[in-house]
Amino acid sequence: EAQVTQNPRYLITVTGKKLTVTCSQNMNHEYMSWYRQDPGLGLRQIYYSMNVEVTDKGDVPEGYKVSRKEKRNFPLILESPSPNQTSLYFCASSSRTSGGRWDEQFFGPGTRLTVL
Amino acid sequence: TQLLEQSPQFLSIQEGENLTVYCNSSSVFSSLQWYRQEPGEGPVLLVTVVTGGEVKKLKRLTFQFGDARKDSSLHITAAQPGDTGLYLCAGGAVGSQGNLIFGKGTKLSVKP
Repeated sequence: EAQVTQNPRYLITVTGKKLTVTCSQNMNHEYMSWYRQDPGLGLRQIYYSMNVEVTDKGDVPEGYKVSRKEKRNFPLILESPSPNQTSLYFCASSSRTSGGRWDEQFFGPGTRLTVL
Repeated sequence: TQLLEQSPQFLSIQEGENLTVYCNSSSVFSSLQWYRQEPGEGPVLLVTVVTGGEVKKLKRLTFQFGDARKDSSLHITAAQPGDTGLYLCAGGAVGSQGNLIFGKGTKLSVKP
């Protein structure tokens, strides 16, 4: 089954304790991305990756790191989490044709993070 | 900062009514997408519109892309309780490589 998986689904942690949220896709997609979703603010892009070893900042990258060492995996790293990073996080992947047209983004089930 | 403004933010209607959701920007977009999200799940793609003036129909849902590719609308005819959810528009502005922008969403509730 084609899917994007995220782990963990739920996480409660404390300020400053480093954490990693994993994301994996089995569709051989070049493009992967991380978003956070907050009430009243919608979905905001944190980082994206056009292909292996290629990553770039989205609209809200501060406090986050990513890596893309393999095509299927795109982990999100919070080196020193703070309470303002409490949010619902989504990973997504897609193929992307040339010419600027966006293909379907396949989203993972989400990770609900609480930073105390 | 490129923005996609969605309206209305909330919409509560009775089964059988029609509704329209709008997605507007001052930027030109290479394409626009509409997603639907249910509680506890990730968004799921409904449609992608690419050409200015394009109209796409998906059963009772009609999607339109503005001639100037700066706006889009979603019209639902004879809404049903199963249409309840969060509707999101998303797009990449012309010239952007991987930066996908989402509107804040329209939360639709259709009461039986």
